[in-house]
Amino acid sequence: EDQVTQSPEALRLQEGESSSLNCSYTVSGLRGLFWYRQDPGKGPEFLFTLYSAGEEKEKERLKATLTKKESFLHITAPKPEDSATYLCAVYTGANSKLTFGKGITLSVRP
Amino acid sequence: GAGVSQSPSNKVTEKGKDVELRCDPISGHTALYWYRQSLGQGLEFLIYFQGNSAPDKSGLPSDRFSAERTGGSVSTLTIQRTQQEDSAVYLCASSAGPGDEQYFGPGTRLTVT
Repeated sequence: EDQVTQSPEALRLQEGESSSLNCSYTVSGLRGLFWYRQDPGKGPEFLFTLYSAGEEKEKERLKATLTKKESFLHITAPKPEDSATYLCAVYTGANSKLTFGKGITLSVRP
Repeated sequence: GAGVSQSPSNKVTEKGKDVELRCDPISGHTALYWYRQSLGQGLEFLIYFQGNSAPDKSGLPSDRFSAERTGGSVSTLTIQRTQQEDSAVYLCASSAGPGDEQYFGPGTRLTVT
């Protein structure tokens, strides 16, 4: 069974304090790893897709990286508006579904 | 362009009643998914449609849950004889095809009293 574990469960940062969010996975045949951002009361918002180990993608203050066992979402000099829950999900092609982790709740203090 | 829309945004129902939740996917997206998100839990996959057919119903928690999709577009998730444990946010997503990034709607918050 595919498993996705995100850590830490919650992270509190000071504005400008860079950090990384971890997503570890155990799957049989990864075909894609997805990162989403979810604000309270809203649906997840797509951020990145990574397909192979070594791949990196960037968007503003966010950079996502992928290895054979885990993915990191690096946040550089975060701002309060980056506060949200960040979800990662894996796609293996089986049944076309995404298997999600439980998410990391990020709080950035001004 | 228009994103995924869901209705109603909130639904309060009494235990034992039936409810219908609606999803309008992004125009042209052939794949449609239903997920459930409970407090403190991750997103739980319910069902996947490719066109009008549902090749994967493995996530439906019981036979009280059913879903259909008509015209390759709108989908309805029906929960019969609702139970308190059905209380959750029900999220719909669509993608251009299987394996492509999924775009989510705002969800329907279901409360069973």
